[in-house]
Amino acid sequence: QKEVEQDPGPLSVPEGAIVSLNCTYSNSAFQYFMWYRQYSRKGPELLMYTYSSGNKEDGRFTAQVDKSSKYISLFIRDSQPSDSATYLCAMSGTGSGGYQKVTFGTGTKLQVIP
Amino acid sequence: DAGITQSPRHKVTETGTPVTLRCHQTENHRYMYWYRQDPGHGLRLIHYSYGVKDTDKGEVSDGYSVSRSKTEDFLLTLESATSSQTSVYFCAISFRGDEQYFGPGTRLTVT
Repeated sequence: QKEVEQDPGPLSVPEGAIVSLNCTYSNSAFQYFMWYRQYSRKGPELLMYTYSSGNKEDGRFTAQVDKSSKYISLFIRDSQPSDSATYLCAMSGTGSGGYQKVTFGTGTKLQVIP
Repeated sequence: DAGITQSPRHKVTETGTPVTLRCHQTENHRYMYWYRQDPGHGLRLIHYSYGVKDTDKGEVSDGYSVSRSKTEDFLLTLESATSSQTSVYFCAISFRGDEQYFGPGTRLTVT
């Protein structure tokens, strides 16, 4: 079993829909949770960064962490064709000042249809 | 791309030849990483560096070596390229070791 599981999709939605992207994980030591967006033939771009449980909102994007269920989500409101990309979740453990291994999901491909 | 450049951006090479990829940052971040990204496997860590001349192996380090003689440069060398090393290679940097910022990638084809 992989430490981080992410449905590869593809996920196709109409423009304006609310999108929900999810990851599950098995390592209870994970404390930092990230979402990256990767456009085709580009490098991953950090979208959201959260620590521990709870919600974080940034414009149309909301990241949610439920540590009790080992489940994280990224919600995109009013989705736009420009949101079409692959979304990768990532997570790491505690301990500042030293190297922390970051574990990535394999990514969910999202297509927003105009 | 957060002040990170990678060179070359594309390379085709023959099996058995050595190849060096370069990552350059202008952010003065302590940590630098090399990943490869392949369909079905996602991002896999090859090597990382936590300071000048301080490097360590990641999960897929066989056949790769790295060097970091300056804060801003991190080199990845494929000692004798094989077809299984055909991939997209990403460099990443981090200030604290958690949030990572990625470069634009290098597409490497080994024929």
